[in-house]
Amino acid sequence: EIVLTQSPATLSLSPGERATLSCRASQSVGSYLAWYQQKPGQAPRLLIYDASNRATGIPARFSGSGSGTDFTLTISSLEPEDFAVYYCQQRRSWPPYTFGQGTKLELK
Amino acid sequence: EVQLVESGGGLVKPGGSLRLSCAASGFTFSSYNINWVRQAPGKGLEWVSFISTDGSSIYYADSVKGRFTISRDNAKNSLYLQINSLRAEDTAVYFCARGDLSGFFHPWGQGTLVTVSS
Repeated sequence: EIVLTQSPATLSLSPGERATLSCRASQSVGSYLAWYQQKPGQAPRLLIYDASNRATGIPARFSGSGSGTDFTLTISSLEPEDFAVYYCQQRRSWPPYTFGQGTKLELK
Repeated sequence: EVQLVESGGGLVKPGGSLRLSCAASGFTFSSYNINWVRQAPGKGLEWVSFISTDGSSIYYADSVKGRFTISRDNAKNSLYLQINSLRAEDTAVYFCARGDLSGFFHPWGQGTLVTVSS
């Protein structure tokens, strides 16, 4: 089973700042990695798929990069609605699909 | 609008059973793989089960294998999860999520809460 480790666990930033979230895989997942955003009481929403492709309707301030075992989600300039929990997920080797434990992006 | 709506959650005693449903609309249900994913209170996401378009391929997480059964009825645009021998650790919000053309999960339903407690 591929283990995904996200860091940091919590990131405290202010609107307008740049956010950089990390996801590291226990073995190579190629580019088969996605990022999701989840707000309290809501379902997760797909942001990025295949490491760097924005899903439909996702603002350009969200970008993904990386391949193999190291991946990054960058939010170039935080908007108030971006404060949420972010999860990475791999589909390189499944079952099982696996998720990271999440990074909480909180308002500083 | 593409939509998934779960139902069937509730409070059940340990050892009990429930049948969760997921009603799909706004897309050709029979053309998409579907997954169940759960989230325990205050915790992260855990993939539970996968079913292919025609139900010929089915997979489960080890934590639920032998207790959970996924199925679908393409004529009714519906997905199901029969959950038996429930344990306290099965307490979670259960989401259904479509397997997107990318292979990832999009969209997700709003979830249904299953609480296992005596």
